[in-house]
Amino acid sequence: DADVTQTPRNRITKTGKRIMLECSQTKGHDRMYWYRQDPGLGLRLIYYSFDVKDINKGEISDGYSVSRQAQAKFSLSLESAIPNQTALYFCATNSGGKDTQYFGPGTRLTVL
Amino acid sequence: AQKVTQAQTEISVVEKEDVTLDCVYETRDTTYYLFWYKQPPSGELVFLIRRNSFDEQNEISGRYSWNFQKSTSSFNFTITASQVVDSAVYFCALSLYSGYSTLTFGKGTMLLVSP
Repeated sequence: DADVTQTPRNRITKTGKRIMLECSQTKGHDRMYWYRQDPGLGLRLIYYSFDVKDINKGEISDGYSVSRQAQAKFSLSLESAIPNQTALYFCATNSGGKDTQYFGPGTRLTVL
Repeated sequence: AQKVTQAQTEISVVEKEDVTLDCVYETRDTTYYLFWYKQPPSGELVFLIRRNSFDEQNEISGRYSWNFQKSTSSFNFTITASQVVDSAVYFCALSLYSGYSTLTFGKGTMLLVSP
């Protein structure tokens, strides 16, 4: 089984809808991250959490919110989706700043 | 702030050619980590290597090799005798030694290997 899972893997939604992307990990890591990938822009950090009680904004947090429900679960929400949030979203985990981040398989989100 | 530059947006080679992917980084910190990830057409991100700033030894893993040079702030990745399966987007990334650091990614280089 995969160590980092993301659900859903693909999602098409309409402008204005609320949507939640979920991430779960079995690696026992404290730290979890959400990134988005747009063609030609690489990966940009949306939010990150160093433990259950810690939430931090990343480079592009506007329009997004997160919830760290447990050590193993980190959800990303789009309260009112807009078309320019169409992207590939990745969750990642690691155990410390020096540690390698391991990524989930990604969620392809399309906002019409 | 940290920055990672992958100047090559796209590279096309023919199978069995050697190819080097460039990565230049900027940071004021003296201790940091550098990474390479591979993203094949299937979309997942695969970790390839991590190097710390203390260790400038080059590393070889099969057909892959990495050249880390602090003097030029570069961490280049060479694929020897490229194969079609090497076709992917490759990302270089940097994190600081600080426990509160996050990863900074370059924009990626798309490598296309033709048969």
